[in-house]
Formats: sequence, structure tokens, C-alpha cells
Amino acid sequence: AQSVAQPEDQVNVAEGNPLTVKCTYSVSGNPYLFWYVQYPNRGLQFLLKYITGDNLVKGSYGFEAEFNKSQTSFHLKKPSALVSDSALYFCAVRDPGKGGATNKLIFGTGTLLAVQP
Amino acid sequence: KAGVTQTPRYLIKTRGQQVTLSCSPISGHRSVSWYQQTPGQGLQFLFEYFSETQRNKGNFPGRFSGRQFSNSRSEMNVSTLELGDSALYLCASSSTGEYTEAFFGQGTRLTVV
Repeated sequence: AQSVAQPEDQVNVAEGNPLTVKCTYSVSGNPYLFWYVQYPNRGLQFLLKYITGDNLVKGSYGFEAEFNKSQTSFHLKKPSALVSDSALYFCAVRDPGKGGATNKLIFGTGTLLAVQP
Repeated sequence: KAGVTQTPRYLIKTRGQQVTLSCSPISGHRSVSWYQQTPGQGLQFLFEYFSETQRNKGNFPGRFSGRQFSNSRSEMNVSTLELGDSALYLCASSSTGEYTEAFFGQGTRLTVV
């Protein structure tokens, strides 16, 4: 079964410093991986995805993610954090289930990012 | 392009009642998925509809059901509400294609008292 793990419940970083939010995955077959962000009382906003190709994926709001097949990781990164980046971040993997087309996602438990001024 | 629209935004219901939530996907999107988000269980997949057919279902009791209309709008229904059904219910729409991302609505916050 497909799964993703986010080992940190919370990440604290000072504004202007680089940030990393970790995600590891376990899949059978090719991994289709996503990062979403959620602000309080809001839905999820898509940040970026990895389907195939370059291991460094660039996304919205200056975020990028590094896919590492040998470490089965898909960490979210940003060179310089902003206070406005403070939110809940979710890693997700598409679950093909019994095969065939599907948009079903399996989400990690989420990581709360707190950026201090 | 308008985003995913969920109505209502907030609901308060009593145990034993039933509730219907609505989702209008992005224009042209034919896939609609529903998720339940709670502090204890996180984000859990309920079901997915594509062209009016349920094509995937999560591990929820039969009290949870859904449907999709010919215009791709979707509804989910929860019957015989329990306190544990209190959650944020999120709808996501996706375009046709193998590698597309899902776009989420702002959710419906359901409180069961």
C-alpha cells in the first residue's frame, strides 16, 4: 500500500533562513508525489508535484522539492523563509489502488511550519 | 477560472440527523473527490466520482454516500450523524489526465452536537 510519512509535527525557522519540511514515501511502482499547504480554516493549496524527470521540482511561492529515490524522500525546501509561510504542510502520494485511473491521494500527517520574525 | 466551491461553509447538526454537502468543481473538471479532515485521523479519503460514477471508495461506513451529476457537481450525504463525524469535509476536483493535481475547495466545517 502507498504511504507517506512526515516525521516532524512542527518545524521552527527564523525569517530569512532556509527551511526544509521532510517527507518519506513507500510505494509500489512509480511514485506520484505532491505537496500541499493549508492555512487556518482553509482548504489545501497545491504547491508542486513530482511525476518523473528532474529530481528538483520547482513550485509556487518560491518552494521547491527534492526527490531522492535511494532515500525514498521528497523534502520540501525554500531558500529564504517568510513569516507568511507559516502554515500546515502536507505531503501526499497518489494511490492507484487496484489499478486504473484515479485521483485518490494518501496524505501524511502534516507538519506545522512556524516562521519567527 | 472560478475555483472549487463548497456549500455551506459551516453546519451545526444534531446527532441522528442527516446532512448533505455540495461541491461545484472547476469548470471542465470531471473528477471530484471528497476527504474528511479531523485532528485525530488527519486527512482521509472518502470517495471519488468521475463522469457520474464512483470510481474509488475509502474505508468509511455506509452512512457516508455521494453522487455526481451530469454537470460534474457532487454531493455527499451523511446519515444518522454521530459526534465523531464532526470534521472539515474537503472536496477536490481534477482535470482529465493521468498526472494532474487536485484543487481543493475551502471545505465545509460540520459540527455534530
